[in-house]
Amino acid sequence: DVQMTQSPSTLSASVGDRVTITCRASQSVGSWMAWYQQKPGKAPKLLIYKASTLESGVPSRFSGSGSGTEFTLTITGLQPDDFATYYCQQYDNYSWTFGQGTKVEIK
Amino acid sequence: QVQLAESGGGVVKPGGSLRLSCEASGFTFSDYYMTWSRQAPGKGLEWISYISTNSLKIYYADSVKGRFTISRDNVKNSVYLQMNTLRAEDTAVYYCGGVPRSGYTKYWGQGVLVTVSS
Repeated sequence: DVQMTQSPSTLSASVGDRVTITCRASQSVGSWMAWYQQKPGKAPKLLIYKASTLESGVPSRFSGSGSGTEFTLTITGLQPDDFATYYCQQYDNYSWTFGQGTKVEIK
Repeated sequence: QVQLAESGGGVVKPGGSLRLSCEASGFTFSDYYMTWSRQAPGKGLEWISYISTNSLKIYYADSVKGRFTISRDNVKNSVYLQMNTLRAEDTAVYYCGGVPRSGYTKYWGQGVLVTVSS
């Protein structure tokens, strides 16, 4: 199975900051990577799929990049509503895997 | 609008069984793969199973293989998760999801809590 290593596990940032979250796959997953945002007590929300395609309705301050084994989620100009936990997920093969999550906290 | 409504959660003893249901509306259910993921208390997300549009492709995570069974009814716009031989480590919020054929979860239910405890 493909293992996903997400870093950092926690990130402290201020409103307006540019933040970057990284996910590394144990083997190539092509561009089959998605990113989700989750707030406490709520279901996850799709942000990005196919590594860099922004889901409809998601603000353009969110962007994704990467291919193969290394992927990044970038938030440019962090907003108060962005403090949440973020997960990557690979869907390259028949066994899908989430990363461990990155909690973005207020500095 | 899109809705996924899970039901069937609750408290069950170790070794017991439970069947979760998820009814979909607001999108063409038969065009979407469906998936179940879960989240143990205070932990991250874990994908556990998905089923293709025509039920011919079904896959499970190793953690539930042989104990859980996913199925769907395209007439009732519903997906199910039969959970047998439950363990304490199966305690989690279970989410159903709607998946465009690529594999990412576009639509999520609100989640249903399953607690396995004696």
